[in-house]
Amino acid sequence: DTAVSQTPKYLVTQMGNDKSIKCEQNLGHDTMYWYKQDSKKFLKIMFSYNNKELIINETVPNRFSPKSPDKAHLNLHINSLELGDSAVYFCASSQNEGIKKAFFGQGTRLTVV
Amino acid sequence: GENVEQHPSTLSVQEGDSAVIKCTYSDSASNYFPWYKQELGKRPQLIIDIRSNVGEKKDQRIAVTLNKTAKHFSLHITETQPEDSAVYFCAASGSNTGKLIFGQGTTLQVKP
Repeated sequence: DTAVSQTPKYLVTQMGNDKSIKCEQNLGHDTMYWYKQDSKKFLKIMFSYNNKELIINETVPNRFSPKSPDKAHLNLHINSLELGDSAVYFCASSQNEGIKKAFFGQGTRLTVV
Repeated sequence: GENVEQHPSTLSVQEGDSAVIKCTYSDSASNYFPWYKQELGKRPQLIIDIRSNVGEKKDQRIAVTLNKTAKHFSLHITETQPEDSAVYFCAASGSNTGKLIFGQGTTLQVKP
């Protein structure tokens, strides 16, 4: 009964391909995020959606496009994958009111070859 | 800009000893400071957090202190156990967006 789940867990693909990562949360949260963890373990926010509306868009190449069909889902689509996109991508969600404690999904390890 | 500095990057202690990890933040508007534990290949797990109107919070063997004037906050783990070995991240948040600015992480090794 996972609270924040993302698929796939592992993704190996060739340069130039387009791929998607899916995320779903069953916590009833209104806000969802995508974070990127690089090879040095550094965690950095990429996007945030609140109730299907984009509220944070950090300096991310426009090859990355998040999509939120409803407030329980936030998918990440990546076009024209590059070697430097290899990382672990974490989805997270938080409640809308009060302290926004963030809960993370299990991560998707993307390897671009 | 927003920045969180975390030290040390690695920490090795003997089982039963205490461990302290320190963070400094730059954005004076930050008002929420969570700590996450990440085991190898796993997701970051929230272990404790503190709000800016509180100076200290404790939960069993872990405690967090906050010095808002100095923009410092620290994680204290007492009576460390081998299962405490992991990467620990501090973070700061100040906007109503819930955006977390993470420190660089501390790899804690507890030797049995």
